[in-house]
Amino acid sequence: SQKIEQNSEALNIQEGKTATLTCNYTNYSPAYLQWYRQDPGRGPVFLLLIRENEKEKRKERLKVTFDTTLKQSLFHITASQPADSATYLCALPTSGTYKYIFGTGTRLKVLA
Amino acid sequence: GAGVSQSPSNKVTEKGKDVELRCDPISGHTALYWYRQSLGQGLEFLIYFQGNSAPDKSGLPSDRFSAERTGGSVSTLTIQRTQQEDSAVYLCASSLALGGSRYEQYFGPGTRLTVT
Repeated sequence: SQKIEQNSEALNIQEGKTATLTCNYTNYSPAYLQWYRQDPGRGPVFLLLIRENEKEKRKERLKVTFDTTLKQSLFHITASQPADSATYLCALPTSGTYKYIFGTGTRLKVLA
Repeated sequence: GAGVSQSPSNKVTEKGKDVELRCDPISGHTALYWYRQSLGQGLEFLIYFQGNSAPDKSGLPSDRFSAERTGGSVSTLTIQRTQQEDSAVYLCASSLALGGSRYEQYFGPGTRLTVT
C-alpha cells in the first residue's frame, strides 16, 4: 500500500542554522507533493507544492526538493528562527482520486 | 476574509452517544475535506465533497460515520454510537475546487473529540 514516512523524532537546531526535514514515500508515483506547517492546537497551513517535473522550489527561506528516483522530498528552512518551531507535514495525492495521504510530521524546534 | 471554522472546538461525550461536528468552509470554496488526526498519527483522510456530492466514502472508518453537505457550504460529520477509539481531532479543509495541484487546502482549527 502507499506509504509516507517522516522522521518522527523531533529535530532540534540552533537559530540561524538550516533545518532539513525528510519525506520518503513508497509504492507510489505522485504527480506532486505538498508541505504543510502545523502549530499545536491548530490546523495545518499550506506552505509549498512541488510537481514531479520540478527538482526544486523556493519561497523566501524555504526550499523543497523532489527526487522521484529516490522517492524522497527534502524540506529546508534556511536561517532558521525560533518562530519556525512547529510540526511539518508532507502530503501526497493518491493517484486517480482527490484523496491525500499525510505523513505523521516532524517536530522542529529552533533554539535561540 | 474569514477562514474555515469548525464547531464545537472541544466535545466530550460518553461512549455510545451520537455526535455531530460542523464545518463552515471559506465562502465560494466548492471542495471540502474531512480528516482525523489521532495523537502521534498523521492526518487520516475520511471523505471529500465536490459541491454537495461525496463521490468516495471509502475513507470513512465504519458505517457509524456519515457526512453530508448542504447548499454547497456547511458540512456535518456525524458519528453514531461513539467508541473510545473515535477520540481524535477532526479537521475540515476547503479549497476553491478539486483540482489537484492547482488548489491548496485551507484547514480549520479542528474539533477535539474525547469519548469517555
